[in-house]
Amino acid sequence: DGGITQSPKYLFRKEGQNVTLSCEQNLNHDAMYWYRQDPGQGLRLIYYSQIVNDFQKGDIAEGYSVSREKKESFPLTVTSAQKNPTAFYLCASSISSGSYNEQFFGPGTRLTVL
Amino acid sequence: KNQVEQSPQSLIILEGKNCTLQCNYTVSPFSNLRWYKQDTGRGPVSLTIMTFSENTKSNGRYTATLDADTKQSSLHITASQLSDSASYICVVSPGREYGNKLVFGAGTILRVKS
Repeated sequence: DGGITQSPKYLFRKEGQNVTLSCEQNLNHDAMYWYRQDPGQGLRLIYYSQIVNDFQKGDIAEGYSVSREKKESFPLTVTSAQKNPTAFYLCASSISSGSYNEQFFGPGTRLTVL
Repeated sequence: KNQVEQSPQSLIILEGKNCTLQCNYTVSPFSNLRWYKQDTGRGPVSLTIMTFSENTKSNGRYTATLDADTKQSSLHITASQLSDSASYICVVSPGREYGNKLVFGAGTILRVKS
């Protein structure tokens, strides 16, 4: 898991609620990423940030929002607009967004909609 | 469409035996290929990263091979241990032109039994 922490480990949400997943890194990495993992599928990119105060949509950004006010923090909000939010969410970081740079992953947050 | 296909979907082997996992990709252009190990309920951990010019790379009992001409890679695990039980994910990076977005395979679930 390196120097990346995610909280909480498990999260339960009622339909219609927004929830925020925390991701913090102490690796001094510029780039941070949010992925969603569903059974039998590869990880899919939700949002990524190459530098503080900047972020880009990934392949499945609808129903999600992020902020990058500090280098070490990249919180993800799952809004009520996300129709099927139950999944395993993974945060990652890398030194930069260079193509060879290794991405280090956090331990994940499992979100369940009740 | 950029895709990464892994086989088999799941595999059960006896402790001490060797096994080989396969990865075929259609990602183009190609920058590098990575293999990750993901324990159940945890974040993926990098095993190897290979560029176009590298044919093989080892990390302890893990050896990855790459044939960039046929767009195939394999991960060979020698003398398997119970702790090798995990999902193994093949990941391809198309490079900076595609925003360095990684393309993930769905993974091969390996179970090592005693």
